Amino acid sequence: DTGVSQDPRHKITKRGQNVTFRCDPISEHNRLYWYRQTLGQGPEFLTYFQNEAQLEKSRLLSDRFSAERPKGSFSTLEIQRTEQGDSAMYLCASSSRLEGLNEQFFGPGTRLTVL
Amino acid sequence: GDSVTQMEGPVTLSEEAFLTINCTYTATGYPSLFWYVQYPGEGLQLLLKATKADDKGSNKGFEATYRKETTSFHLEKGSVQVSDSAVYFCALSDYGNNRLAFGKGNQVVVIP
Repeated sequence: DTGVSQDPRHKITKRGQNVTFRCDPISEHNRLYWYRQTLGQGPEFLTYFQNEAQLEKSRLLSDRFSAERPKGSFSTLEIQRTEQGDSAMYLCASSSRLEGLNEQFFGPGTRLTVL
Repeated sequence: GDSVTQMEGPVTLSEEAFLTINCTYTATGYPSLFWYVQYPGEGLQLLLKATKADDKGSNKGFEATYRKETTSFHLEKGSVQVSDSAVYFCALSDYGNNRLAFGKGNQVVVIP
């Protein structure tokens, strides 16, 4: 079990550019979540997948954000036309309902800096 | 909506001191409650959990009891170590809701 992995770990971009992050969940976990964490705050929910279906999206997920999980395994989070306010840590988590309690396991995160 | 409130400000204490971090919650249903810990440079790790009223979660010397009457889930440890220095987050997941709602977190600094 290698845990949840995220790539890249750090991303610096200029305002207006597009960025894409990848998350690989724990194998056989059918649920995958994206959260955003800004400095001094707790993580905030962005979106959730069960297998390949995106079942829930937060109001925080503006139309510049899109997430996919095409084969029910890894997921990507794309931000178009980045803004300085997008600077944050983007966290991915996975879980399996088969494990009973919906315990979520988190990856190390991708830190985005928009200049 | 569901929310979690943690006490304000960082916590600084000496090694072997008693630690308490307060956490209260608001939820429409019957949530499960969690404490997550974030060590410097690492990702969030589940520390302990409780799924119903009066349950006590425990791990690594930390404990928290699910108190429905006071809607609280305070974290305690009787004797902290320098290695406990981290940020601690209280969180809830309501029944049928797949998201976690987190508090703002508390930075804990343990001085030798």
